[in-house]
Amino acid sequence: GENVEQHPSTLSVQEGDSAVIKCTYSDSASNYFPWYKQELGKGPQLIIDIRSNVGEKKDQRIAVTLNKTAKHFSLHITETQPEDSAVYFCAVKAAGNKLTFGGGTRVLVKP
Amino acid sequence: KAGVTQTPRYLIKTRGQQVTLSCSPISGHRSVSWYQQTPGQGLQFLFEYFSETQRNKGNFPGRFSGRQFSNSRSEMNVSTLELGDSALYLCASSLAGTQETQYFGPGTRLLVL
Repeated sequence: GENVEQHPSTLSVQEGDSAVIKCTYSDSASNYFPWYKQELGKGPQLIIDIRSNVGEKKDQRIAVTLNKTAKHFSLHITETQPEDSAVYFCAVKAAGNKLTFGGGTRVLVKP
Repeated sequence: KAGVTQTPRYLIKTRGQQVTLSCSPISGHRSVSWYQQTPGQGLQFLFEYFSETQRNKGNFPGRFSGRQFSNSRSEMNVSTLELGDSALYLCASSLAGTQETQYFGPGTRLLVL
């Protein structure tokens, strides 16, 4: 089955700096790559997603890049703010509606 | 538009008991998926329902089951609870197709004693 690895597991950045999280996947048939943010006591919230026919997508301070050849995709957060502190999950979908998640990255933005 | 709702939000059960969790998807969404989240295993897919039929299933024992009603609301049931079933159970809804974005509810936190 699909295997998704996410790095790093924890990330501490200074407010205003950039944060980058990387995920690799194993199934070359994967075609949908969402990123979720989960705050304490809440369910995962979709923050950005990308499909396999697109190499990069940006939404204000958040961007995702996809390299299908290398089977990896990354989340970039610029100008980080304290409210960006949370756990971030990448996910991958191949056939069907099943999402396979990475292990998560705990991001701490220090003011 | 209201988001995905899950009830109850918290639940405490003892080993051997059974439990039923409920999920109401976003209005108009017809697909409901269930995930289990634990510190050790992370987020794992349980199953997906669409038009009252199970469309996809993860690698969980038969003690985990679910169903979907004609109004798209879904329930999942866990029988003969084990300590390891303690987890956050998340429901996600999407419009219909398999390429649609999934939106998660707040989850039901189950503690098995």
